[in-house]
Amino acid sequence: NAGVTQTPKFRILKIGQSMTLQCTQDMNHNYMYWYRQDPGMGLKLIYYSVGAGITDKGEVPNGYNVSRSTTEDFPLRLELAAPSQTSVYFCASSYSERGGGEQYFGPGTRLTVT
Amino acid sequence: KQEVTQIPAALSVPEGENLVLNCSFTDSAIYNLQWFRQDPGKGLTSLLLIQSSQREQTSGRLNASLDKSSGRSTLYIAASQPGDSATYLCAVKEGGNEKLTFGTGTRLTIIP
Repeated sequence: NAGVTQTPKFRILKIGQSMTLQCTQDMNHNYMYWYRQDPGMGLKLIYYSVGAGITDKGEVPNGYNVSRSTTEDFPLRLELAAPSQTSVYFCASSYSERGGGEQYFGPGTRLTVT
Repeated sequence: KQEVTQIPAALSVPEGENLVLNCSFTDSAIYNLQWFRQDPGKGLTSLLLIQSSQREQTSGRLNASLDKSSGRSTLYIAASQPGDSATYLCAVKEGGNEKLTFGTGTRLTIIP
């Protein structure tokens, strides 16, 4: 049981490039989340999903897109990368009928946009 | 708008001492509260989850309490060890939305 896995661990992008951050969980969790963590700012929710085929915006969705075609995978797409998207990105998952379950986090992807 | 505050931002204590970390939140209408630890350059590890109907949760040397009416939670760590050194984050979930609101954490250093 690997829990929540994320790839890549590190990435440097040039302004305007695009990329996909991968997230996979093997706990059969229905809820999945993407957060970003900026120094001194706390984590902020980007997007979340309550099940395959269902996604919704979080607090800071601009510049990102997501899809959820399977229970296990929840990729985050960055289009036209900007320096403001330099951050550490965490994927998380939980199991609950009403989304109140304990959230389990992946190890993160450190992204730098220059 | 929910705001979560953790004071102090950093704390150093000698090994073996008991300690308390604080978390306060502005809106008491929460669904649950979760404590995490984060090691440098790593992800978050869930420590304890307290539902809004509960007053406390315990796991090993850790005990978390919740007082919704005063908007406070504490994480008690007994007999601290150098391996407890990490940043401790609390996060609250409000009913009706999926957002966890995080505090900025307390960086704990246990001095051998």
